[in-house]
Amino acid sequence: DTAVSQTPKYLVTQMGNDKSIKCEQNLGHDTMYWYKQDSKKFLKIMFSYNNKELIINETVPNRFSPKSPDKAHLNLHINSLELGDSAVYFCASSQDRSNTEAFFGQGTRLTVV
Amino acid sequence: AQSVTQLDSQVPVFEEAPVELRCNYSSSVSVYLFWYVQYPNQGLQLLLKYLSGSTLVKGINGFEAEFNKSQTSFHLRKPSVHISDTAEYFCAVSAPYNQGGKLIFGQGTELSVKP
Repeated sequence: DTAVSQTPKYLVTQMGNDKSIKCEQNLGHDTMYWYKQDSKKFLKIMFSYNNKELIINETVPNRFSPKSPDKAHLNLHINSLELGDSAVYFCASSQDRSNTEAFFGQGTRLTVV
Repeated sequence: AQSVTQLDSQVPVFEEAPVELRCNYSSSVSVYLFWYVQYPNQGLQLLLKYLSGSTLVKGINGFEAEFNKSQTSFHLRKPSVHISDTAEYFCAVSAPYNQGGKLIFGQGTELSVKP
C-alpha cells in the first residue's frame, strides 16, 4: 500500500486552464503539506493543514487553493495556470505539527504550455 | 526563522570511495534535522533524522550523519558509495510546532557516483 499517493503523476495543460491535483494518505496522520519543487530542484512549502484546518499559507498566489475534505485528503486546485506554475508538486504528511518525520508522495509534474 | 545551506551543489565521486555531503543550518530555537534522498523522477525518501539524544545518527543504505550544535552542522557521510547512490540529497530542518512544523530545505546536493 502506498502511504502518500498523488494523482496525476504527470499533468500537461495550456495557460489559463484550471487543474487539480489530489493527495491521499493512509497513515492516519493529522498533518498534510503541499511543497513545490522548481526547475532548480529547490523545495518550498506552500500549504499545510492540520485536521482539515489551514495552518500554513506561504504567500502563495490566490490562484492556488488547497482543500481538505477530511484529514486523509489534501487537494490542490490551481486557477488560470501560468507558465511559471510549471514545477513538481509534492504532497506530504506527518503524524502531527511536530513533524518528527514527513512522508512524501511521488510528486506531480505539472507542465504549462 | 530557520535556514539551511548545503555547501556543495554537486559532488562527483568514484565508486567505493567515501563521501561527505555538507549541511549547515541556522535557527534560534531547537530544531529537528533530516536528510532526504530523491532519485530521478521520484519522491523524497527519508535517509535519517536527528530529533534528540546521540549526535551520531545512522540511517538507511549505510548513511550516517553527525549533529554538531556548536558548528550548527549536520553533515551526511557514507564510507563507501555505490553507483546506486547517485541521486539528489536534501538537508532539511523542521520549523517549531507553532510554525506548523514545515520543512525548510537546503538547495540540494547532486551526488554523482562514477565507476
